[in-house]
Amino acid sequence: GESVGLHLPTLSVQEGDNSIINCAYSNSASDYFIWYKQESGKGPQFIIDIRSNMDKRQGQRVTVLLNKTVKHLSLQIAATQPGDSAVYFCAENKAIGNKLVFGAGTILRVKS
Amino acid sequence: DADVTQTPRNRITKTGKRIMLECSQTKGHDRMYWYRQDPGLGLRLIYYSFDVKDINKGEISDGYSVSRQAQAKFSLSLESAIPNQTALYFCATSDPAAPSGGHSYNEQFFGPGTRLTVL
Repeated sequence: GESVGLHLPTLSVQEGDNSIINCAYSNSASDYFIWYKQESGKGPQFIIDIRSNMDKRQGQRVTVLLNKTVKHLSLQIAATQPGDSAVYFCAENKAIGNKLVFGAGTILRVKS
Repeated sequence: DADVTQTPRNRITKTGKRIMLECSQTKGHDRMYWYRQDPGLGLRLIYYSFDVKDINKGEISDGYSVSRQAQAKFSLSLESAIPNQTALYFCATSDPAAPSGGHSYNEQFFGPGTRLTVL
């Protein structure tokens, strides 16, 4: 809910525009990087992942970019819709153990 | 996701009380997790289990215990609740060995959460 988003960075975009949500990670040994979406009052929901040996992966209306040189991950959402409004979390995962380490999150607000 | 359910959804309790949060899943997954979420923070892993009777500590296990008596159930207990355990608690499941329906090996399926307030 709204208490989850306290003090989080916020990105406001106009409906129909593209959104870019950024994340810096710290563990170079992570094998996968993942994006989750959390709508108000719900648990996080998987969006897309990327393996560490890739630099780009596309899904439906979303693209994840990975820059290992600067330890940066981004999620691009094309033609942002009101239903995209949520908190977005990046997460890291080592393949062995399947334990996710989550970032703090970014609030995406879509203006109609 | 209705496949992962948590009870109760909301709970208010007092300092020192023992509290149990329940998680059930019908996905048939072996792996289950408990996370807590605090305002302005991401989710932090409390405990996880890869199979029945398998228990592993996560990042913030102090003050918590868990039980995995069956594949479908994973319960989280606060032995003596304290106010800084006030948070949203999420259960999650995964089955990285057998993804299906377009799901990723890395996907975890989260329950709706339990809002716990310790006074």
